[in-house]
Amino acid sequence: NAGVTQTPKFRVLKTGQSMTLLCAQDMNHEYMYWYRQDPGMGLRLIHYSVGEGTTAKGEVPDGYNVSRLKKQNFLLGLESAAPSQTSVYFCASRIRTGTYGYTFGSGTRLTVV
Amino acid sequence: RKEVEQDPGPFNVPEGATVAFNCTYSNSASQSFFWYRQDCRKEPKLLMSVYSSGNEDGRFTAQLNRASQYISLLIRDSKLSDSATYLCVVNSGQAGTALIFGKGTTLSVSS
Repeated sequence: NAGVTQTPKFRVLKTGQSMTLLCAQDMNHEYMYWYRQDPGMGLRLIHYSVGEGTTAKGEVPDGYNVSRLKKQNFLLGLESAAPSQTSVYFCASRIRTGTYGYTFGSGTRLTVV
Repeated sequence: RKEVEQDPGPFNVPEGATVAFNCTYSNSASQSFFWYRQDCRKEPKLLMSVYSSGNEDGRFTAQLNRASQYISLLIRDSKLSDSATYLCVVNSGQAGTALIFGKGTTLSVSS
């Protein structure tokens, strides 16, 4: 049981390039989330999804797009990367019912130069 | 007022010490409360949920005061391996929406 898997783990982009971060979970969780973590800022929510085919904006959605075409996958896209998007990106998922916490992926370290 | 506030520390304690972290939250509708642990350059991991009656897991004790909107974590007999950042986490009170994370309190346990 792999839990939550993020790919890639590391990436360096040039300003203006695009990329997609993949999050895959094998726990049949309904809810999935993308966060970014920057020094001194804590974890900030980018986008989230409460089920297949649904997405919603979080606290810092600008410059990012997401898709949840399959229940197990939640994709985060950067259409035109900017240095301000240099960060560590974490995906998380949780089951819909109950008051359970998240399971996190191991993160993607992205540097935009 | 920030949604979840924590003292960033760092808390520097010797092995065997007892240390307590506090957290306040602003949304009175929050229903779920957690403490997460995050090691340097790693993902956050669930340490324990926090229940209204208080709960204990080995050396760790969590308390919730809904009236004061205050959460605490007590660590007894600190170990070197307890060195990490501890994140206070609450939900927004709405089904399906995200958990809200504090910025964390850093603990360093020394021998």
